[in-house]
Amino acid sequence: AQSVSQHNHHVILSEAASLELGCNYSYGGTVNLFWYVQYPGQHLQLLLKYFSGDPLVKGIKGFEAEFIKSKFSFNLRKPSVQWSDTAEYFCAGGSQGNLIFGKGTKLSVKP
Amino acid sequence: NAGVMQNPRHLVRRRGQEARLRCSPMKGHSHVYWYRQLPEEGLKFMVYLQKENIIDESGMPKERFSAEFPKEGPSILRIQQVVRGDSAAYFCASSLGQAQVYEQYFGPGTRLTVT
Repeated sequence: AQSVSQHNHHVILSEAASLELGCNYSYGGTVNLFWYVQYPGQHLQLLLKYFSGDPLVKGIKGFEAEFIKSKFSFNLRKPSVQWSDTAEYFCAGGSQGNLIFGKGTKLSVKP
Repeated sequence: NAGVMQNPRHLVRRRGQEARLRCSPMKGHSHVYWYRQLPEEGLKFMVYLQKENIIDESGMPKERFSAEFPKEGPSILRIQQVVRGDSAAYFCASSLGQAQVYEQYFGPGTRLTVT
């Protein structure tokens, strides 16, 4: 069965720390992968997406993700987090039109 | 350019009542998706619609749930005879068309509480 899993439920970092959130997918065929962010009280926003081509994808707000096919992974990274990055982050994948979401990772950044 | 609109934002229903959730896609988008988010869970796909067509309803419960996206007007997710387990946040997303069907833009959600 197709699935997307996120390793961390809750991550707490201090400002300026580096961030890496894990995401693994398990399905074959065409791979389209996404990271969405949900700030407190707001709706889901697209951070970045991978459809094909360069496996290192740059998104908004300094985020990037690397698609590693051999590891079935699409980890999200940011070199230096800010307090305003406090949010919930969702990894998602799809190959049929609908998206399969991971359970999300809550990121808390301490000022 | 208005984003995806959903209303109501909060809906309270007693057990056995009907819930109707509305979604207006982004301007120019003709593909709509509904997802449900239970507490401490990620979003689960429910149904994918185009105008007047259901493309994929593999995530819809077999009973009490239905969805439509008429030629005119918003998409409607209808839950008949609600039960406590239907309490969740329901999100709608839209995309531009077949070539870009995977890039979905989400609405703010409707939080349904069944008492």
